[in-house]
Amino acid sequence: GQSLEQPSEVTAVEGAIVQINCTYQTSGFYGLSWYQQHDGGAPTFLSYNALDGLEETGRFSSFLSRSDSYGYLLLQELQMKDSASYFCAVRAIYNFNKFYFGSGTKLNVKP
Amino acid sequence: DGGITQSPKYLFRKEGQNVTLSCEQNLNHDAMYWYRQDPGQGLRLIYYSQIVNDFQKGDIAEGYSVSREKKESFPLTVTSAQKNPTAFYLCASSIGGEGETQYFGPGTRLLVL
Repeated sequence: GQSLEQPSEVTAVEGAIVQINCTYQTSGFYGLSWYQQHDGGAPTFLSYNALDGLEETGRFSSFLSRSDSYGYLLLQELQMKDSASYFCAVRAIYNFNKFYFGSGTKLNVKP
Repeated sequence: DGGITQSPKYLFRKEGQNVTLSCEQNLNHDAMYWYRQDPGQGLRLIYYSQIVNDFQKGDIAEGYSVSREKKESFPLTVTSAQKNPTAFYLCASSIGGEGETQYFGPGTRLLVL
């Protein structure tokens, strides 16, 4: 089975750096993805780690360590518009079209 | 523009009624998905389809049904057997195979009268 755990809520101030963690228990997956969802909106894809290490996309970076069953999303130079929920997700190896999502982390950015 | 559309945006269901949520995509994606999201919660998989005329149950399929007669369409019916249907329903698609990115529609919010 698949289980992905995230903190329920994180608060940070504008301009700061924040890290959202995702720990998982899985029988096998292809890679770790991150999605952003604003209140009332649809999730949108942010980043993907197929291999261990850091992937950088502008202000957002994502990290994966398979040996530690751990990943994180790093958001730099926080802006008010970054206030949203963030979900980690994996695609199962045994059924390659089935995705599993974490419970999500609500990020509150304050002025 | 390519994308996923869902309709209606809001849907009201009466006791004992079946309702159908529409999902259409013009991305030429093989795989389509239905998720349920409750307030402050993550996404739970209801049904998914990897190819036309084939679909599999997800983690919470009871009280729901789907069909996949066309590649671009994947409607979800919430039946009267689903006793707690109030939720935000999200449809998504991916290219299938080794595709890692899911593309989501805007969602349908279902409320019970």
